[in-house]
Amino acid sequence: KAGVTQTPRYLIKTRGQQVTLSCSPISGHRSVSWYQQTPGQGLQFLFEYFSETQRNKGNFPGRFSGRQFSNSRSEMNVSTLELGDSALYLCASSLGQMNTGELFFGEGSRLTVL
Amino acid sequence: AQSVTQLGSHVSVSEGALVLLRCNYSSSVPPYLFWYVQYPNQGLQLLLKYTSAATLVKGINGFEAEFKKSETSFHLTKPSAHMSDAAEYFCAVSAPSTGNQFYFGTGTSLTVIP
Repeated sequence: KAGVTQTPRYLIKTRGQQVTLSCSPISGHRSVSWYQQTPGQGLQFLFEYFSETQRNKGNFPGRFSGRQFSNSRSEMNVSTLELGDSALYLCASSLGQMNTGELFFGEGSRLTVL
Repeated sequence: AQSVTQLGSHVSVSEGALVLLRCNYSSSVPPYLFWYVQYPNQGLQLLLKYTSAATLVKGINGFEAEFKKSETSFHLTKPSAHMSDAAEYFCAVSAPSTGNQFYFGTGTSLTVIP
């Protein structure tokens, strides 16, 4: 069974640009969550999608947005990039039932903002 | 609201020695608690989870953790450290009613000295 796939793995952008990151969950998983990981801050929850609907949202500005498609694949978008957005963005999928505890993570997309 | 505090951002142990990684949580409802491990340039992998069953939880690779409600703790232990245990460890908490929104600690980097 293929794992969670995130693309691209690495990318470099400049301030003011926008970026779109993609996540393909494990087959059959309907929930996709996004996390931002930075040194010292750990993992910060961005949002979770389940069956194309945003079910939970973290405390991030509106520049961070996401969506989920009917095949459960998800994208997140960051507009008007700032230097502080440099981070590893992790996607995690799960079956979707409330808190089974099994979040399956991808390897992440490492974003550098110059 | 839920939160997690991991005491010690860096822990060093000798090979064969006891591993103890500390985690304290805060939750307004009975929590679910997790430990994840992250190896360099990889996503997070579930080590073990507590979801209101047995308070002593055994996970993969010889790790275990004990849920202590009176101390609001969920410390991770392993009797004998192995070189392959060197990684970043994250404690996380979630509430059963909040979907898949997890709150992670800032992580503990474990170094194993030969």
